[in-house]
Amino acid sequence: LAKTTQPISMDSYEGQEVNITCSHNNIATNDYITWYQQFPSQGPRFIIQGYKTKVTNEVASLFIPADRKSSTLSLPRVSLSDTAVYYCLVVSDDKIIFGKGTRLHILP
Amino acid sequence: KAGVTQTPRYLIKTRGQQVTLSCSPISGHRSVSWYQQTPGQGLQFLFEYFSETQRNKGNFPGRFSGRQFSNSRSEMNVSTLELGDSALYLCASRLESTDTQYFGPGTRLTVL
Repeated sequence: LAKTTQPISMDSYEGQEVNITCSHNNIATNDYITWYQQFPSQGPRFIIQGYKTKVTNEVASLFIPADRKSSTLSLPRVSLSDTAVYYCLVVSDDKIIFGKGTRLHILP
Repeated sequence: KAGVTQTPRYLIKTRGQQVTLSCSPISGHRSVSWYQQTPGQGLQFLFEYFSETQRNKGNFPGRFSGRQFSNSRSEMNVSTLELGDSALYLCASRLESTDTQYFGPGTRLTVL
């Protein structure tokens, strides 16, 4: 299973773009990279998923370099409500393993 | 479409007791997974059920068990509760064709 490593915590300010990078050095050919967001006392919520290059939806963008050993979640113009824990995970053979996540704190 | 629902939302038990938690997946989702979340260990995978069969299992003792019914609803049981079982138990469902999981609000279990 591909293990993921991401920063434990990050701080940013409202209106800024936030980039959270995740490393997954032993990602397999068929694995996808998925990001979830979790607020306190709630279940994680799917944000975005990608395989390579760039994926964008109404919430975020996901950048994946050619070697796929890392990925970067980009949140444009964050607000206070984006304060949450963000999990990067790689799905291997139907096994979904969550890492420790990145605690993002948005300051006014 | 209704989301994943879990009951009860909060539960207090004492050591040695057993507990059963329930999860109703999104309509049409046949895969249900269970996770335990604690401050120290984060989100840990317990098991996944698909069409009433356990498909994957995490590294938890046999005190943790589950089952899935023909309507895809799932239950999780923990026997002989220990203090360390206090956690948020999350259920997630997905379509077989994707790996995107949809989580419920969780059941907060406190063991005294």
